This record gives sequence, C-alpha cells and structure tokens, in this order.
Amino acid sequence: AQKITQTQPGMFVQEKEAVTLDCTYDTSDQSYGLFWYKQPSSGEMIFLIYQGSYDEQNATEGRYSLNFQKARKSANLVISASQLGDSAMYFCAMREDYGGSQGNLIFGKGTKLSVKP
Amino acid sequence: DGGITQSPKYLFRKEGQNVTLSCEQNLNHDAMYWYRQDPGQGLRLIYYSQIVNDFQKGDIAEGYSVSREKKESFPLTVTSAQKNPTAFYLCASKQGSGYEQYFGPGTRLTVT
Repeated sequence: AQKITQTQPGMFVQEKEAVTLDCTYDTSDQSYGLFWYKQPSSGEMIFLIYQGSYDEQNATEGRYSLNFQKARKSANLVISASQLGDSAMYFCAMREDYGGSQGNLIFGKGTKLSVKP
Repeated sequence: DGGITQSPKYLFRKEGQNVTLSCEQNLNHDAMYWYRQDPGQGLRLIYYSQIVNDFQKGDIAEGYSVSREKKESFPLTVTSAQKNPTAFYLCASKQGSGYEQYFGPGTRLTVT
C-alpha cells in the first residue's frame, strides 16, 4: 500500500490566487514527520515546509502553510498568492521515526502545479 | 557557500558499462542519500549512509553500489546489472540531529 498519496497529478491556479495541494499518508507510528518539497524544471529539490506529528500548530513558512489534520492523516500544502515562479512539481514526503523505513523519507508521486498569468 | 555538488549534470553511457556518479557535500552532514527519479514519479531510495564507512541498502539497491570513505563524499556506481539505468539521480545529505534533507542539483543519466 502507498504510504504517501498525492491524488492530483496536475493543478492549475490563477496568479495571485491560493491553491491547495493534497497529501494523505499512512503510518501506524505515533512519531513521524511530514515534508513538502518543490522541484522546478531544473530538477533540484527545494525544501518548503515541515510538520512534526506532535506539533500542535500548523506549520507556516512565508506563503506556504501546511494544513495538518492528524485524524484524517492528511497534510495538505497551501500556497497563498501564487506567483508564476511557483510553477513546478511538488512532492509530499514522510519520515517514520520507528517504522520500517528507519527514519528515511518516503515520497509521493507528486503534483505538477501550473500558475497561469 | 555550503552545499551539495553532483557532477556531471548530464551523463551518457553505452549499455554494459559501469558508471560512477559523484556527490560531494561541504555541509559537514553525517548522513547522505542517493535517490532515483523516473519521469512522472517520486523519488525512490537507492542507498544511504549514516556515518563514514557504513551504508545501507534502500528500496531499490539492486544493480547499484556505493562507498563512504570520506564524510563529504558518497559516490554511486550504476553497474551493468542495473536493467533500466536511465533516470535522474539525486543525492542528499542531512545533519544527524536535523530533519531536513538537502539535495544536490542531480545527474541525468542516459544509457543507450
């Protein structure tokens, strides 16, 4: 079974509007971390935001926020005021602290975001 | 500037040849990782190393080999046993106590 599911292969958003990229995860660990990375066409993976399973507040980093709903096992990324430079692939990833992945990252298949002018 | 370098950016090889991808970091990170990415897919872990002279297989280690003789270097060899070696390869590193992995720019390997 997939541990990280990103159900949106592609998304379009109008410049200056907000967009939500979905991510659901599957783990039986109580301690884990959730990450979002951005991959522009150049290929490099850029870290955006992190949420620990015990963090009570949703993580925020500038225009990025993570909508963490623990009971639903979802960790959606919200980008506010989209910019043309936000067009890229976005990957959700999970680190299980005690599970079989031994603390390594497990990635979803990604969502391609296109920002329209 | 601290960071991770991968060279070359593009690499072409003939089928049946081994090829070594370079990964160097000057971040003084303990852990290093190699991932493979196929078109339209997420990253899959090939090998990782938590300390010098020690490394572990990831999810898709068959046909690959690594070494970790120095803290700053973690080269990946794609052997002729790897059936589908054409892919984008990303190297990453992480401080032992940290949670974020830092990625290099990647090497795109094409085998014909």
